[in-house]
Amino acid sequence: DVVLTQTPVAQPVTLGDQASISCRSSQSLVHSNGNTYLEWYLQKPGQSPQLLIYKVSNRFSGVPDRFIGSGSGSDFTLKISRVEPEDLGVYYCFQATHDPNTFGAGTKLELK
Amino acid sequence: EVQLVESGGGLVQPGSPLKLSCAASGFTFSSNWLNWIRQAPGKGLEWVASINPDGSSTYYPDTVKGRFVVSKDNAKNTGYLQMNNLRSEDTAMYYCARTDDYYSGDGYVMDAWGQGASVTVSS
Repeated sequence: DVVLTQTPVAQPVTLGDQASISCRSSQSLVHSNGNTYLEWYLQKPGQSPQLLIYKVSNRFSGVPDRFIGSGSGSDFTLKISRVEPEDLGVYYCFQATHDPNTFGAGTKLELK
Repeated sequence: EVQLVESGGGLVQPGSPLKLSCAASGFTFSSNWLNWIRQAPGKGLEWVASINPDGSSTYYPDTVKGRFVVSKDNAKNTGYLQMNNLRSEDTAMYYCARTDDYYSGDGYVMDAWGQGASVTVSS
């Protein structure tokens, strides 16, 4: 199975700062059709996960433009510029290129 | 408003079956994939099942293949996860989540999730 390694495990931030989360895959996430199926989800405390980014860098409808997904191959990054209180929670990367689909272990974005 | 509501969770003994339901509203259920994702207490997310819009194709990881069966009744706007031969390691919160068929070429794009149904497997 594809292993997604997220770093850091926890990211202490000050509101207004930029945060960066890495997601590295044990193999390339480029599908045979040329697409890269890497998604990002945020699970706020006590809530269900919510979709942020799909296909590496596509922000889902309604997601603020301070969330920026980037990367290629097996190395991906989610950047959050100007962290706001509602951005706190656990971020998961998710791959759907290889069967079975897998999630990263999560990165907790928390206040310093 | 798009809404997914899980039900059917509970405490069961190892080896027992349990069936979860996922009631959908606010969108065309027959045009959506249905996915099930679980989260063990204090742990991360794990994908456990998916079914295509018309219910003709299903997908599972090896951890549940042969024990879990995903289905959907488009006439009732409801999806199901039949879980058989439950083990202690199946203890988790189970979420259903949709994928609009519009995005079916873009990955799983799970844009709406239920609040979860808690399943505890213990003797």
